[in-house]
Amino acid sequence: GENVEQHPSTLSVQEGDSAVIKCTYSDSASNYFPWYKQELGKRPQLIIDIRSNVGEKKDQRIAVTLNKTAKHFSLHITETQPEDSAVYFCAANPSDSWGKLQFGAGTQVVVTP
Amino acid sequence: GAVVSQHPSWVICKSGTSVKIECRSLDFQATTMFWYRQFPKQSLMLMATSNEGSKATYEQGVEKDKFLINHASLTLSTLTVTSAHPEDSSFYICSARDLQGYSYNEQFFGPGTRLTVL
Repeated sequence: GENVEQHPSTLSVQEGDSAVIKCTYSDSASNYFPWYKQELGKRPQLIIDIRSNVGEKKDQRIAVTLNKTAKHFSLHITETQPEDSAVYFCAANPSDSWGKLQFGAGTQVVVTP
Repeated sequence: GAVVSQHPSWVICKSGTSVKIECRSLDFQATTMFWYRQFPKQSLMLMATSNEGSKATYEQGVEKDKFLINHASLTLSTLTVTSAHPEDSSFYICSARDLQGYSYNEQFFGPGTRLTVL
């Protein structure tokens, strides 16, 4: 089955700096890679996603890159703000699936003013 | 659009009792819903895939007789935790896909149900 690894587990950044979170996946047939933001006690919220036919996608301060050959994808947050503090999860859609997602372990991001 | 609700938002029960959690897609039809469990400071662990009108598919290690899933309509899936024990205490979250929507891969999550078993 699919295995998704996520690093780092915690990330502290100064407000205004950039944050980068990296994930690797094992199933080369996976074709959908979303990123979710989850605040304490709340539901995960999709912040950006990318499909396997695209190498990069950007939405304002957030971007995702995908390297299919290396089987890794990354989340980039620029000009971080205190409200970006949360846990971020990457996920991949395994090939055997009805659209189910395999999640990474999560990254706790803390943005300090 | 693409709103998913869950009920109840939290529940406290005694050991040995059963608890039912409802997951509803409010503005779309969801032929497939997913149930996750999340322990504190951990990731979302998929428990099962719920398909309307058929039996759920459980992930390895999840007891199907303990976590009963019913997906009787295109907008409702239920998870029943039977004979609950303290180790079942967790945050249970459902999600659904809107296959008719623009982003048919996207999963929309419910707000979660905090279960505490005493």
